[in-house]
Amino acid sequence: AQKVTQAQTEISVVEKEDVTLDCVYETRDTTYYLFWYKQPPSGELVFLIRRNSFDEQNEISGRYSWNFQKSTSSFNFTITASQVVDSAVYFCALSEGGYSTLTFGKGTMLLVSP
Amino acid sequence: DAGVTQSPTHLIKTRGQHVTLRCSPISGHKSVSWYQQVLGQGPQFIFQYYEKEERGRGNFPDRFSARQFPNYSSELNVNALLLGDSALYLCASSPRFSATADTQYFGPGTRLTVL
Repeated sequence: AQKVTQAQTEISVVEKEDVTLDCVYETRDTTYYLFWYKQPPSGELVFLIRRNSFDEQNEISGRYSWNFQKSTSSFNFTITASQVVDSAVYFCALSEGGYSTLTFGKGTMLLVSP
Repeated sequence: DAGVTQSPTHLIKTRGQHVTLRCSPISGHKSVSWYQQVLGQGPQFIFQYYEKEERGRGNFPDRFSARQFPNYSSELNVNALLLGDSALYLCASSPRFSATADTQYFGPGTRLTVL
C-alpha cells in the first residue's frame, strides 16, 4: 500500500533563510504521481507542483524548487529566501497508478518569522 | 474563473444528527473527490465521483455517502454523526477520471463540529 512520510512536524525559520521540507514515499507501482500542496490558515489546499514517476528532473519555480530522487524515494521541497507569507502547512501527496486519488503525508508546519 | 466552491463554510451539529455538505467543481471539471481532514493530520480520501458514478471509495463507514449531479456538483452526506466526525471536509475537482492522475484542485472546505 502507498504511504507518504513527512518526518518534520514543524519547522521555524527567520525570514530570508532557506528551508527544505522532506517527503519520503512508499509505493509498489512503477507509475505514480507526486504532489505538493500548501495549506494556509484559511484551510484551502493550494496546488504547488505535480511530478510523474518517469520524470526525475528537478524543477524550479521562483523561490521554490523540488528535488525528486527515485533511488531514495524522496521528493523534497526547498524554499529559498523564505518570507512570512510562506508560513503554512505543506503536504506531500502520492497518487498510485493514476486515477487522482491522493494519499497525503501528515504535513509540515512552516513558521517564518520576521 | 471561479475555483471550487463549498457550502456551508461552518456547521455545528449534535451526535446522531445528519449532515449534507455541498460542492461545486471548477467549470469544465467532471470529477469530484471528497476528503476528511482531522486536526493535525493530512486529508483522508473518502469518495471520488466521475460522470455521476462512484469511482473510488476510501476506508469510511457506510454512514458516509455521496452523489454527483448532472451539472457535476456533488453532495456528501453523513448519517448518525459521531464526535469523531468533527473535521474539515474538503472537496476537490479535476478535469477527468484519468490514469494520468489529473491534478486535483481543492475548495476552502466545510468545518464540521459535532457536539
